Amino acid sequence: DGGITQSPKYLFRKEGQNVTLSCEQNLNHDAMYWYRQDPGQGLRLIYYSQIVNDFQKGDIAEGYSVSREKKESFPLTVTSAQKNPTAFYLCASSWTSGILDEQFFGPGTRLTVL
Amino acid sequence: DQQVKQNSPSLSVQEGRISILNCDYTNSMFDYFLWYKKYPAEGPTFLISISSIKDKNEDGRFTVFLNKSAKHLSLHIVPSQPGDSAVYFCAAKDAGGTSYGKLTFGQGTILTVHP
Repeated sequence: DGGITQSPKYLFRKEGQNVTLSCEQNLNHDAMYWYRQDPGQGLRLIYYSQIVNDFQKGDIAEGYSVSREKKESFPLTVTSAQKNPTAFYLCASSWTSGILDEQFFGPGTRLTVL
Repeated sequence: DQQVKQNSPSLSVQEGRISILNCDYTNSMFDYFLWYKKYPAEGPTFLISISSIKDKNEDGRFTVFLNKSAKHLSLHIVPSQPGDSAVYFCAAKDAGGTSYGKLTFGQGTILTVHP
């Protein structure tokens, strides 16, 4: 049963703490992405990775970090430098980063920083 | 700056009627467009796409129209069903430069289909 899993679904953290969001895919996709959704806004790209051991900043990378040590995993760390971390975070993957490759999304993690 | 805009935050339609969701874009480098559907607390799911070399793409009840000169696309759902109630996101891709694969999303339109 192929797909993308994100855990946990809901996450609460105190201000000033780093937190890591998990994203795993068993679709054998090369490319993976992290998006953030805020109310009334579309999804905005935080980081993306076209292949293992490689990743690039998206539009709003400040205060975030990622790693891509394994093809199936692309964890996102929200650091204390991120000024407004409370949001809904979505991970996605696609076969490649080519234009025709559809991105498949995980169920998301809602992060609330108290 | 918002390169992909969905100017209607919400749309309410009666079951069986047509739903028309609109999307405008400003970046002339965009050449592939997609619509995603999203339920609350879930990830978006792909609905339908269109390449810039076409002006229409149809898949069952869903049709996407692209007007390149106006930089406008629309999604038609006919007939609308209550299960179609969700947030619909328009997204665009730019094949060139270093941004290939990146999706630029609109703000989304909440569609409510009343029985």
